[in-house]
Amino acid sequence: ELKVEQNPLFLSMQEGKNYTIYCNYSTTSDRLYWYRQDPGKSLESLFVLLSNGAVKQEGRLMASLDTKARLSTLHITAAVHDLSATYFCAVGRNDYKLSFGAGTTVTVRA
Amino acid sequence: ETGVTQTPRHLVMGMTNKKSLKCEQHLGHNAMYWYKQSAKKPLELMFVYNFKEQTENNSVPSRFSPECPNSSHLFLHLHTLQPEDSALYLCASSPGQGAGELFFGEGSRLTVL
Repeated sequence: ELKVEQNPLFLSMQEGKNYTIYCNYSTTSDRLYWYRQDPGKSLESLFVLLSNGAVKQEGRLMASLDTKARLSTLHITAAVHDLSATYFCAVGRNDYKLSFGAGTTVTVRA
Repeated sequence: ETGVTQTPRHLVMGMTNKKSLKCEQHLGHNAMYWYKQSAKKPLELMFVYNFKEQTENNSVPSRFSPECPNSSHLFLHLHTLQPEDSALYLCASSPGQGAGELFFGEGSRLTVL
């Protein structure tokens, strides 16, 4: 069974500072997703990472994948209030079943 | 409408009631999914349909009964639920089973009294 661990589960960020969310998974995977969920809202796809060393950036968010270490990171640069949300990583294999992490709830304070 | 639409957004039901959740996708996708999101737990895959055929039942109790009449619509029929079934039920779709990322609806918040 593919297990996905995210940490931290809760992250209180100060505006303007940098932070990292980690996503570890237990077995070989061929795809990794990062999603964002605002309270009462749907999950919004942020990044899809498909190969070792893949790096994608959008605004203040940057995601990377190390398949050898079975680790993905979501780096937040100069946090702003708009980034407050819950972030999920999800890992899948060619059989399509995505296994989700428990989510990291991010709160950005002034 | 665009994307994945779920109705109702909120549902309160007693343990003896029968109700249904509806999901509709306007993305031309062929695979549809039901996920359960409980507080402080990872999303749990419940059912998968690919081209209207059920391809996955993740050991879900029979009080949850899915229906997929076509590739655009997915239902979850609910009967004699338990309070622990209270959760956010998310529908998702993808171009095909195992192909492409999932697009999620906003979910149906279910409370079982």
